Amino acid sequence: AQSVTQPDIHITVSEGASLELRCNYSYGATPYLFWYVQSPGQGLQLLLKYFSGDTLVQGIKGFEAEFKRSQSSFNLRKPSVHWSDAAEYFCAVAGRGSSNTGKLIFGQGTTLQVKP
Amino acid sequence: AAGVIQSPRHLIKEKRETATLKCYPIPRHDTVYWYQQGPGQDPQFLISFYEKMQSDKGSIPDRFSAQQFSDYHSELNMSSLELGDSALYFCASSLGTVYNEQFFGPGTRLTVL
Repeated sequence: AQSVTQPDIHITVSEGASLELRCNYSYGATPYLFWYVQSPGQGLQLLLKYFSGDTLVQGIKGFEAEFKRSQSSFNLRKPSVHWSDAAEYFCAVAGRGSSNTGKLIFGQGTTLQVKP
Repeated sequence: AAGVIQSPRHLIKEKRETATLKCYPIPRHDTVYWYQQGPGQDPQFLISFYEKMQSDKGSIPDRFSAQQFSDYHSELNMSSLELGDSALYFCASSLGTVYNEQFFGPGTRLTVL
């Protein structure tokens, strides 16, 4: 079955510290991979995506993610966290190929808290 | 830039009532997706439409129905509401059949009392 796992439900980091949020997926073939951020009561904003090519992808707000096929992982990183980064982060996948309709399968989410 | 519009933003209903949620995609986007996000949960795919035809169906209860109209806006109709239907309902739109980025609306928060 297709699934996305975010092992860390809640992470707290100090402002200025580095951040890594983990994401593992289970899928028949390498899917499209995404990271979304959701502030309280808000919609989902795309941070970055991986379709093909370079396995290190850059996104908005200084985020990057690395796709590792051997580990079925797509971890999100940021070198220096800002207080405004506190939010819920979702990893998501979508299938490839003409038979896939683009529906997203989300992980459970990781809540990021930033300490001053 | 134009974004996805959802209305209403908040909706309070009683059990067994009906509700209609509306989604207006980004201009020229022809694909609409609906997701349901329960409290503290991840978004769950409900249903999608491409060019006014249903393209995929997820864990959508039989009490729910949806359609996409000629102007590409979509409506999610929910009948016999239950307490468990209380959630944030997101609409997202994208362009074309080859996968493209989904842009999410702000959501409709439905509360069933």
